[in-house]
Amino acid sequence: QQQVKQSPQSLIVQKGGISIINCAYENTAFDYFPWYQQFPGKGPALLIAIRPDVSEKKEGRFTISFNKSAKQFSLHIMDSQPGDSATYFCAASETRNAGNMLTFGGGTRLMVKP
Amino acid sequence: DAGITQSPRHKVTETGTPVTLRCHQTENHRYMYWYRQDPGHGLRLIHYSYGVKDTDKGEVSDGYSVSRSKTEDFLLTLESATSSQTSVYFCATSKNGQTRDGYTFGSGTRLTVV
Repeated sequence: QQQVKQSPQSLIVQKGGISIINCAYENTAFDYFPWYQQFPGKGPALLIAIRPDVSEKKEGRFTISFNKSAKQFSLHIMDSQPGDSATYFCAASETRNAGNMLTFGGGTRLMVKP
Repeated sequence: DAGITQSPRHKVTETGTPVTLRCHQTENHRYMYWYRQDPGHGLRLIHYSYGVKDTDKGEVSDGYSVSRSKTEDFLLTLESATSSQTSVYFCATSKNGQTRDGYTFGSGTRLTVV
C-alpha cells in the first residue's frame, strides 16, 4: 500500500509555464513534507520542504502548497525553465525517537520544452 | 554527492549469484540507508543503519542483507540475485536521522540481473 501517492507520472510544460505536481498522503502522523529533485545519473537532492503548520512555502520559483484537511500537498514551479527538467519526488515522514524515515511518492518526470 | 561514493556504478550479474554493493561516506553521518528506485514506485527503503553494527529492515528487505562494520561503509548484499532485483540502488546518509536535515544521496548503482 503506497502511503504517498504522486501525480502525474510525467509532465511536459513549455518554457515559462507553470509546472504543478500533486501528492496525497494517508498517514496523519506525517509531520514533514519535503520535495526532492533528481537529474539523470544523479541521486535525489532536497529541493524544498514544508511542515503542516503552514499552508504555503516559497523559495524562488518553487512553492509548496499544503492542505492538511485534504491530506494533500503540491509543488508549483513558476516560470519553468529547461534546466528544471528532472524527476521530482514528494516525500513524507513522521518524527520518531529512533530516527525519521522518509516515505517517497512514485516520482514525476518533468520535461520543460524550450 | 561528493561525500558519498557508491560502487560499482553499473553491474550485470546472473540469476542466483551473490552481489554486494558498497556505499562509502566521508560525511561522518550516523544514519545510512539503502533505497531501490523503480519506475512508478519511487524510492523504497530496503535497510537502514543507525550506527556501527546497528541495522534494521525497511519496507522491501526480503532477499537483501546489510552490514556496517565502520561508520563510513554500508554494504548491501543480494544473497542470490533474482530478475526482480534489477533496479537502481541508492545509498543515502543523514547526520542524526532527522529528515528535516535532508538526506544526502549517492549517484546510484544500476544493477541488471539476467
